[in-house]
Amino acid sequence: NAGVMQNPRHLVRRRGQEARLRCSPMKGHSHVYWYRQLPEEGLKFMVYLQKENIIDESGMPKERFSAEFPKEGPSILRIQQVVRGDSAAYFCASSPDLGQGRYGYTFGSGTRLTVV
Amino acid sequence: AQKVTQAQTEISVVEKEDVTLDCVYETRDTTYYLFWYKQPPSGELVFLIRRNSFDEQNEISGRYSWNFQKSTSSFNFTITASQVVDSAVYFCALSGYNTDKLIFGTGTRLQVFP
Repeated sequence: NAGVMQNPRHLVRRRGQEARLRCSPMKGHSHVYWYRQLPEEGLKFMVYLQKENIIDESGMPKERFSAEFPKEGPSILRIQQVVRGDSAAYFCASSPDLGQGRYGYTFGSGTRLTVV
Repeated sequence: AQKVTQAQTEISVVEKEDVTLDCVYETRDTTYYLFWYKQPPSGELVFLIRRNSFDEQNEISGRYSWNFQKSTSSFNFTITASQVVDSAVYFCALSGYNTDKLIFGTGTRLQVFP
């Protein structure tokens, strides 16, 4: 029973390019959460999605960032025109239903984005 | 607003020493949940424990123990007889009852030297 799968594990982009981060939830899970960990900081909530629906995007930067979780396939976190400040580790977690934050959902291994 | 404070940025100990990592939280919720996660040098996040606000019993799991005190809004984590493999960044986190967000502290980096 595979856990939350994130790829790529490491991603290098030049300033101005687009970064696409993928997250495949655990089998049977229909809710996905994205968190960002800036260097030497804790994790910060970005967005919470259900299949084909954004539930809470209060932590998403207003520009250049978007997220989707289509009916089929993984959840995608997209960062357009990346800047050096976007360099961070991006973690994904999944849950089978609403209100799972209180159970401390399982995180994927993260994608480390480096912008050069 | 919810907040988690881990005042200790970095702690260094020698193997076999006991070490306590502090966590202080703020919330207006009457029902809430507290967590500890471990982030080893490899970078993944490892879930350690979850505690709800109605259960103030201390918990022990092997060399790990947790002390939850609502009166001081603290949820401290103690490692007994520390080992080099315990070297990691440890995060404390908080969640409300019907929210799906975790609020993380800034983490405490623990270095255990042989």
